[in-house]
Amino acid sequence: GQSLEQPSEVTAVEGAIVQINCTYQTSGFYGLSWYQQHDGGAPTFLSYNALDGLEETGRFSSFLSRSDSYGYLLLQELQMKDSASYFCAVRAGAGANNLFFGTGTRLTVIP
Amino acid sequence: EPEVTQTPSHQVTQMGQEVILRCVPISNHLYFYWYRQILGQKVEFLVSFYNNEISEKSEIFDDQFSVERPDGSNFTLKIRSTKLEDSAMYFCASSETSGGQETQYFGPGTRLLVL
Repeated sequence: GQSLEQPSEVTAVEGAIVQINCTYQTSGFYGLSWYQQHDGGAPTFLSYNALDGLEETGRFSSFLSRSDSYGYLLLQELQMKDSASYFCAVRAGAGANNLFFGTGTRLTVIP
Repeated sequence: EPEVTQTPSHQVTQMGQEVILRCVPISNHLYFYWYRQILGQKVEFLVSFYNNEISEKSEIFDDQFSVERPDGSNFTLKIRSTKLEDSAMYFCASSETSGGQETQYFGPGTRLLVL
């Protein structure tokens, strides 16, 4: 089976940098994705890592270490609109299409 | 930009009643999914659908649930006899292909309340 652990809440100041961690245990590994979800909204894809290292997309970056079963999402130059829940997710298994989501981290950006 | 749409946005029903949640996936996508999210909890996979049949389903997707693609555009989730614990937000998603880096695009969700 799979399990993904994330901090439940993070608070950061507008303009700052914040890192949201995700540790995973899976029977097989097929990449780590990150999704953003605003209150009452749908999950929206942010990034995907299949190999070790850092992937950068604008203000958002995602890192993966497969040897440590660990990844993180880095948000820079925080804006108030970044206040949302952030979920890491893995594919459920070989040939599986469905995503298994982590418990989610609620990010609150304060002025 | 193409998007997944869902109807209705909210549905209130009595326990034991049947509900049908509707989704229109992105038109060139081939893989379709239903997820649910109980208030304040994580998103949970229900079922995936490809080539007019279920490709995977979770333990949550029991005999009370069924999915159908009745025509070339709609994808539906039916709950035959709703229970109180079925109250949740139900998200439809679609993807062009499967596996790897393939992004799943989520619809805005249907909030189901079972009384």
